Amino acid sequence: DIVLTQSPDTLSLSPGEGATLSCRASRRITSRSLAWYQQRPGQAPRLLISGASSRATGIPDRFSGGGSGTDFTLTIDRLAPEDSAIYYCHQLGHSPQTFGQGTTVEIK
Amino acid sequence: QVQLQESGSGLVKPSETLSLTCSVSSASFSNYFWNWIRQPPGKGLEWIGYLSYSGSTNYNPSLRGRVSISGDTSHTRFSLTLSSVTAADTAVYYCARSTFSGADVWGQGTLVTVSS
Repeated sequence: DIVLTQSPDTLSLSPGEGATLSCRASRRITSRSLAWYQQRPGQAPRLLISGASSRATGIPDRFSGGGSGTDFTLTIDRLAPEDSAIYYCHQLGHSPQTFGQGTTVEIK
Repeated sequence: QVQLQESGSGLVKPSETLSLTCSVSSASFSNYFWNWIRQPPGKGLEWIGYLSYSGSTNYNPSLRGRVSISGDTSHTRFSLTLSSVTAADTAVYYCARSTFSGADVWGQGTLVTVSS
């Protein structure tokens, strides 16, 4: 199985600051099969980024994704209070599909 | 707007079979994968498997042959069965639509508790 390791586990930042979340795969994956989700407490995950860098419908341009091979990033500019959530990366290109363990973003 | 809604028993006894259905509204089955994903309380996400638009299935080997996903011929719902459940199967179960690039539509999730 491909293991996705996210870092850091937790980020605590102030509104207006920027955040960079990392997702490292245990072996190379195709960029088109890497996604990022936001999960707020008590809610289902919401797709933010598909294909490593394409924003999903309705996602603000403060969210951007990048990377290739084994290293991928999710960048959140100008953090807002509603960005407080757990963020997961997900690879769909190799079976079984796997998720990272999540990064918790706390807004101070 | 595409919507997914899970339904089924919220309480299952150990060693019995968990059964859930996902109702699909305003969507075509074509060109998508129809997934089940679960999340134990306070933990991360685990992919269970999918039913493809062509009718093929793909399951997570970690579930050791206990899982089956099927769809109805009207293509308005698909179902999950998980046999021989234990407490480790207690989780929120989500159905979700995906492509090769991401899961763009999710149900709200349903909590299934395994307990006698």
